[in-house]
Amino acid sequence: GQQVMQIPQYQHVQEGEDFTTYCNSSTTLSNIQWYKQRPGGHPVFLIQLVKSGEVKKQKRLTFQFGEAKKNSSLHITATQTTDVGTYFCAGRRTGTASKLTFGTGTRLQVTL
Amino acid sequence: EPEVTQTPSHQVTQMGQEVILRCVPISNHLYFYWYRQILGQKVEFLVSFYNNEISEKSEIFDDQFSVERPDGSNFTLKIRSTKLEDSAMYFCASSYPSGEQYFGPGTRLTVT
Repeated sequence: GQQVMQIPQYQHVQEGEDFTTYCNSSTTLSNIQWYKQRPGGHPVFLIQLVKSGEVKKQKRLTFQFGEAKKNSSLHITATQTTDVGTYFCAGRRTGTASKLTFGTGTRLQVTL
Repeated sequence: EPEVTQTPSHQVTQMGQEVILRCVPISNHLYFYWYRQILGQKVEFLVSFYNNEISEKSEIFDDQFSVERPDGSNFTLKIRSTKLEDSAMYFCASSYPSGEQYFGPGTRLTVT
């Protein structure tokens, strides 16, 4: 079945440092979404990428969808303690209508 | 802002018992989903529901599970003959056809 892997599994940074998580799918995706889950919370939608090579920015967050539509990345510039949580990518495989396959997640810890 | 609600927040049941988890999706959304997250692990897709029938389901969603939309607002997940390994957080989500998914706060199921 489809697998979506993320690296790293865990990253601990000091506030102000940058952070990047990488997402790789075993199959080509029609689109990819990113979610953030705070400790004890539920996934919250961040963004959706649809086009090959697409780059989107939200303030300090930059999202990229690979040319082959099989990988994606999320980069956070100058992390803050409010960025703490687990970041999941979630891909929709070409040909499926609704099923999202979540990645393994990257847990980000930010300390002062 | 509209939100997905879930009840109960925590359900404790004995092995072999049946449980029903309840969700109220956001009105006007057309797709409804159930996901499962074992503590510290990734979010796993169980099933999607559209137009009063199952749209897609994962290999996890076997005969032990069923979903229903008994009226115009509720969406339920029934788990029959619960097993210890069914202990997890169960999230309901809803969405328009191709957009972001809004997750509820989850129901923590503990099977003893």
